[in-house]
Amino acid sequence: RKEVEQDPGPFNVPEGATVAFNCTYSNSASQSFFWYRQDCRKEPKLLMSVYSSGNEDGRFTAQLNRASQYISLLIRDSKLSDSATYLCVVNPPQLVFGTGTRLLVSP
Amino acid sequence: DVKVTQSSRYLVKRTGEKVFLECVQDMDHENMFWYRQDPGLGLRLIYFSYDVKMKEKGDIPEGYSVSREKKERFSLILESASTNQTSMYLCASRASSGTQYFGPGTRLLVL
Repeated sequence: RKEVEQDPGPFNVPEGATVAFNCTYSNSASQSFFWYRQDCRKEPKLLMSVYSSGNEDGRFTAQLNRASQYISLLIRDSKLSDSATYLCVVNPPQLVFGTGTRLLVSP
Repeated sequence: DVKVTQSSRYLVKRTGEKVFLECVQDMDHENMFWYRQDPGLGLRLIYFSYDVKMKEKGDIPEGYSVSREKKERFSLILESASTNQTSMYLCASRASSGTQYFGPGTRLLVL
């Protein structure tokens, strides 16, 4: 089993839609969780950390389910500019990156 | 503002050449990392360093070496480039919060 698994997508959604991604992890000792965003031909950039109680940043909501060992990212009111690949990241022992989920938002 | 720079955005090298990829960060971070990213495989850790002159192997160190002579600089070396090392190489440094900041990447093509 891979340490971090994501559905590669692509997820094709219209503008304004709500979309959710899940990511499962295998190491039950993992303590830190992040979502990164990567635009085409660019480096990954931190989107948000994921806290145990769940957290929200504008249109983005991240949640952690330790019992089932997954994290999720919910994007509300999708914008064209949200089109990117979203990487799930888990730590420790080092940061382990998922292969990413590609999101395409169309007009 | 956080900044990680890499010496080249694009490189073309021939099989057997020695290749140096340089990475510099200006945030005084102790931890630095080298990854390669390939389609369908995601980011894979090659080497990392916790401090000057310290290095640790990541998941795929074969065919690579690294150098950390100064805190701000972490170099990746391909001793004898091979075609299967054609990839996107990403350097990162990590803050105490755990957030990793990436450089813009180097696209290496080995012919």
